[in-house]
Amino acid sequence: NAGVTQTPKFQVLKTGQSMTLQCAQDMNHNSMYWYRQDPGMGLRLIYYSASEGTTDKGEVPNGYNVSRLNKREFSLRLESAAPSQTSVYFCASSSYNEQFFGPGTRLTVL
Amino acid sequence: QKEVEQNSGPLSVPEGAIASLNCTYSDRGSQSFFWYRQYSGKSPELIMSIYSNGDKEDGRFTAQLNKASQYVSLLIRDSQPSDSATYLCAVNGIWNRDDKIIFGKGTRLHILP
Repeated sequence: NAGVTQTPKFQVLKTGQSMTLQCAQDMNHNSMYWYRQDPGMGLRLIYYSASEGTTDKGEVPNGYNVSRLNKREFSLRLESAAPSQTSVYFCASSSYNEQFFGPGTRLTVL
Repeated sequence: QKEVEQNSGPLSVPEGAIASLNCTYSDRGSQSFFWYRQYSGKSPELIMSIYSNGDKEDGRFTAQLNKASQYVSLLIRDSQPSDSATYLCAVNGIWNRDDKIIFGKGTRLHILP
């Protein structure tokens, strides 16, 4: 039982490049979330998915897209990376509001 | 705008003492309350959840909820150096429906050996 897994762990991009962050959970949770965490800003919700086939914007969705591929997987895509997207990205899944986080992806955009 | 407020710290507590972490929230209709611990460079880890007024104890941790005052706290008894971390308070509106939860920015706790 791996819980929530994320790939990659680290990534360096150049401005304008695209990439997809992958997230998977094996806890059979319906809800999944993408957050970014920046110093002094706390955790900010980018997108979430209450169930397979549905996605909703969070607090900071601009510059991102998501796909809920199936119940297990929820991916986050940066179409044209910008230096302001340098951050640590966490995926989470939840049951009865108790959220379980993946290990995070540390992304640097140059 | 729903908000969760925490003192950013750092809060320094001697080893063996009680650490008291506090959180206030703005949405009076909130029903679910959580404390997460986050070590430096790691992801948040759920340590306590509380849904009704009063105290909830789990080992050295006690969560306290006062909905009338819109206040939730976390007490850590017999503080250990391994408790040094950032503690995030989180709040949600509906207890039995997964939804967005609002996180505070966290309080950094430092246990002095």
